[in-house]
Amino acid sequence: AQSVTQPDIHITVSEGASLELRCNYSYGATPYLFWYVQSPGQGLQLLLKYFSGDTLVQGIKGFEAEFKRSQSSFNLRKPSVHWSDAAEYFCAVGANTGNQFYFGTGTSLTVIP
Amino acid sequence: KAGVTQTPRYLIKTRGQQVTLSCSPISGHRSVSWYQQTPGQGLQFLFEYFSETQRNKGNFPGRFSGRQFSNSRSEMNVSTLELGDSALYLCASSWTTGGTGTEAFFGQGTRLTVV
Repeated sequence: AQSVTQPDIHITVSEGASLELRCNYSYGATPYLFWYVQSPGQGLQLLLKYFSGDTLVQGIKGFEAEFKRSQSSFNLRKPSVHWSDAAEYFCAVGANTGNQFYFGTGTSLTVIP
Repeated sequence: KAGVTQTPRYLIKTRGQQVTLSCSPISGHRSVSWYQQTPGQGLQFLFEYFSETQRNKGNFPGRFSGRQFSNSRSEMNVSTLELGDSALYLCASSWTTGGTGTEAFFGQGTRLTVV
């Protein structure tokens, strides 16, 4: 069965510090992987996606993620966090039978000055 | 290019009533998916419509239904509302379907409160 695990419910980092949000997936076929960000009361905004090819993908707002098939992971990273990055982050895997996404439970990011 | 538009943004309904939510996808997109987001269950897939046909359905009771019109606009209906239906309902549109891994663009959601 398809599933996504985000082990960290909440993370607090200082502004300017580096960030890594963890994501592990379970999927039988080649996964389509995504990271979305959600600000309070808003919808989801796509940060980056992995379909195939280079396992290190670059996204918007300075985010990147690395796909590691051997570890079934797709961790999100940012070298220097800004206060505006405070939000909820969701990792998702896309089904290959349609536009159906399986989301993790999310990681809430707090940025302290 | 306009994004995904969901109306209304906020809704308060009484238990037992029914409600209809609307989603207008990005121009040219033919796939519309619906998700329910709650603090306890997270983001859960409701259903997907493509070219007016339901392609996939999540594990929700029959009180949840949807449809898609020829202009790709979609509506979601919930009948006999229960308190547990209180949630943020998100709509996502994509230009195609069929497991291509196409990214989805989300609307801002409709916040439904059942009292």
